[in-house]
Amino acid sequence: NAGVTQTPKFQVLKTGQSMTLQCAQDMNHNSMYWYRQDPGMGLRLIYYSASEGTTDKGEVPNGYNVSRLNKREFSLRLESAAPSQTSVYFCASSAGPWTEAFFGQGTRLTVV
Amino acid sequence: SQQGEEDPQALSIQEGENATMNCSYKTSINNLQWYRQNSGRGLVHLILIRSNEREKHSGRLRVTLDTSKKSSSLLITASRAADTASYFCATDASTGNQFYFGTGTSLTVIP
Repeated sequence: NAGVTQTPKFQVLKTGQSMTLQCAQDMNHNSMYWYRQDPGMGLRLIYYSASEGTTDKGEVPNGYNVSRLNKREFSLRLESAAPSQTSVYFCASSAGPWTEAFFGQGTRLTVV
Repeated sequence: SQQGEEDPQALSIQEGENATMNCSYKTSINNLQWYRQNSGRGLVHLILIRSNEREKHSGRLRVTLDTSKKSSSLLITASRAADTASYFCATDASTGNQFYFGTGTSLTVIP
């Protein structure tokens, strides 16, 4: 039982490069989320998808785009990476509103 | 921001002692959740308490919620070295589709 799977686990980008972080869940969850975690800042919500076909901005959406490809997959795209986007990115999913979230293992991204 | 804030930021105790950490938040909530994060890993859900509940237990965990003070506490009894981790509280927005996390408490349990 894989749960929430994120790829890649590590990535180094040069400023201005683009990349897509992939996330897939096998729990038939409706809701999916992308967070970033920075030292001393806790986790901050970037984007979320309450159901297949919908996406909404969270607290820190600037510089990111997302795609809810289907019910299983929710990707996060950095079009032009900046050093300020150096962070650990977590994908999560939940069955629906007001339910527990299940997290992936994270992607450690460094932008140089 | 609706982000919560945990207190203390760091806590170090001896194995067998109890650990208490607190969470304060800013706006009305439907639920409050506690998560644990081991170093270098994702978050793991511990317990969810609804706004109409005052106390909840799960094994060695006891969570309280005081909505009038907009605060919650997590008590871990008889701590073990394996409890060493960061602990986060999370509150939800009115739609329930957004979770807002606090900055976390780093707990170290010394064997």
